[in-house]
Amino acid sequence: DVKVTQSSRYLVKRTGEKVFLECVQDMDHENMFWYRQDPGLGLRLIYFSYDVKMKEKGDIPEGYSVSREKKERFSLILESASTNQTSMYLCASSRTDPPQPQHFGDGTRLSIL
Amino acid sequence: GDSVTQMEGPVTLSEEAFLTINCTYTATGYPSLFWYVQYPGEGLQLLLKATKADDKGSNKGFEATYRKETTSFHLEKGSVQVSDSAVYFCALCSPDTGRRALTFGSGTRLQVQP
Repeated sequence: DVKVTQSSRYLVKRTGEKVFLECVQDMDHENMFWYRQDPGLGLRLIYFSYDVKMKEKGDIPEGYSVSREKKERFSLILESASTNQTSMYLCASSRTDPPQPQHFGDGTRLSIL
Repeated sequence: GDSVTQMEGPVTLSEEAFLTINCTYTATGYPSLFWYVQYPGEGLQLLLKATKADDKGSNKGFEATYRKETTSFHLEKGSVQVSDSAVYFCALCSPDTGRRALTFGSGTRLQVQP
């Protein structure tokens, strides 16, 4: 069965810390995505990757970076965490073939104190 | 750019009631349309999809029809159950634009009471 695994369900960090969120998929998908989910705003795309070492900015990339060294793993990095980055973070993956339904992980609820 | 508009929630229904959650979209070209569901404490799961005009997606008693003339993809279910309580997201993907990510609506929370 399809599986997207996020390393942590809950995470608490302090302002200014460097934070790593990890995501692994076992479906050999080319595309991987990071979204953040906030009440009333739905899901907003932070970054995505369509191949190893390739990345593209999404709609809200400021304050974030990503890394994709292996096809199955996509990491989201908060360079210097701030309180406005407190949110639910969702990772997803998909194949390139249309219509591209995405498979999601269970999410990481990140709190920045 | 692309956008999706959903009716605001929460929607509160009694068990066995009829459900409609409205979704309209703005997109370039011919997008694919999706409904995702998020149960408490979980990630999003694909509920149904439609890839071209007049397609009807269906799953677990839910249905939605791709209406290009009204740019809509309303979600319906004839008889809801308590277990359907969740947040529902309408989304689209416009491969014509080269964008591989989904554009989501803001989500609609459904609460079904026994």
